[in-house]
Formats: sequence, structure tokens, C-alpha cells
Amino acid sequence: SQQGEEDPQALSIQEGENATMNCSYKTSINNLQWYRQNSGRGLVHLILIRSNEREKHSGRLRVTLDTSKKSSSLLITASRAADTASYFCATDEDSSYKLIFGSGTRLLVRP
Amino acid sequence: NAGVTQTPKFQVLKTGQSMTLQCAQDMNHEYMSWYRQDPGMGLRLIHYSVGAGITDQGEVPNGYNVSRSTTEDFPLRLLSAAPSQTSVYFCASSKYQGASSPLHFGNGTRLTVT
Repeated sequence: SQQGEEDPQALSIQEGENATMNCSYKTSINNLQWYRQNSGRGLVHLILIRSNEREKHSGRLRVTLDTSKKSSSLLITASRAADTASYFCATDEDSSYKLIFGSGTRLLVRP
Repeated sequence: NAGVTQTPKFQVLKTGQSMTLQCAQDMNHEYMSWYRQDPGMGLRLIHYSVGAGITDQGEVPNGYNVSRSTTEDFPLRLLSAAPSQTSVYFCASSKYQGASSPLHFGNGTRLTVT
């Protein structure tokens, strides 16, 4: 079974708006990562947040982590059409060597 | 640097045939893994390796074998292809194991089993 569940499954916004995606997971973790996948391509790493961190920023990306709720969120500010992609969270299930991915959020940014 | 290289890009097999998907990385990464992605879904872990000579099973290992004789290469073998193995296969590597460092992905192999 997949460790992470993203919410929503699909999101459509206007260029310039903010996009928020959520990820919930089931077990204890050491780290959580977010990835982007453009259609038909390999995944690209966006940001890594460790279990002792609560928030991390990278450019227009902001990630939060709440280990008590076993959840994380990815905020993309001032979205652009080029942000159209699928976004996945991934965690080390039970703090193991396995990196398990969620089912993803498909983001469409309309020009 | 090439990063993670997967070959072939596309493959069509008949049910029962076997084949090997190749994966090579030139970043001296210890950790390598194979995932499959079915349409509209996330990635599911097939097998992974934390170093040369060490492999372990992921979420969906049945029907697949791996070996890791060198740091650079991590081939995935389909023993007897089935239509349920039609998918896009991604190889990935990272400097450290688990989720403690970013994964670098190849561009994928699109496999169709008829």
C-alpha cells in the first residue's frame, strides 16, 4: 500500500494564484520529500524536509511538516503555467531504507 | 555527467518473454532503486539496493529480479513478462539511503506486454 496520500487529486488554478497540496502518511518517518513530474518524464526533486523541521522554503515553494498529524503541505506561490505538472510526496516508511511515494496531485495552471 | 541512464526507452514484449532493463549512474551513488508507474498513479517501489552486493524487496517485487554487482549498475530483470507488467519503469539513485537525500531519476522505460 502507498505510504502517502495527496489531497486534492487534481487542482486547477489561474496563473498568479497560490496552489496548496497536502500529503498524509501512515508511519513514523525521518524525512519527507516533494517531487514534480512533467507529463511523461522522470521525477524532479523539489525539497526535502527532515522530521525535526517544521517549515522549509525554496524560491516560490514552501513546505510544512506536522509529525503529530502525520501530514505535510506544499505551497506554490504566484503560480505560472510552467508549474503545470503532477506533484508527489515521498517518505521513508517506518524510517526504513524504502522511499515510498504517494499517489500525487495533478496541478493545472491556466494562463 | 550523464546522471541516471536507462535503456531501452521503449520495449514491447510478448507474454512469457524475459528481458532486462538497464540502469546506470555515474554519480557514485550508493543507493539505487526501481519503481513502476501505472497510468494516473504514483510510483511503486519494486526493488532497491543500499550498495554493491546488497538488494532488497520493495512494495511490488513479484515477477522481477535485481542484482547489484557494481556501484554504477542496477539492472531489472523481468523473468516471464505478463500484461500486468505493462507500465513505465523508472530507475533512481541517491547519495544516501532512504529519504535522507534527493533521488535522481532516469527518463524511464515504457514497457508494453501483449
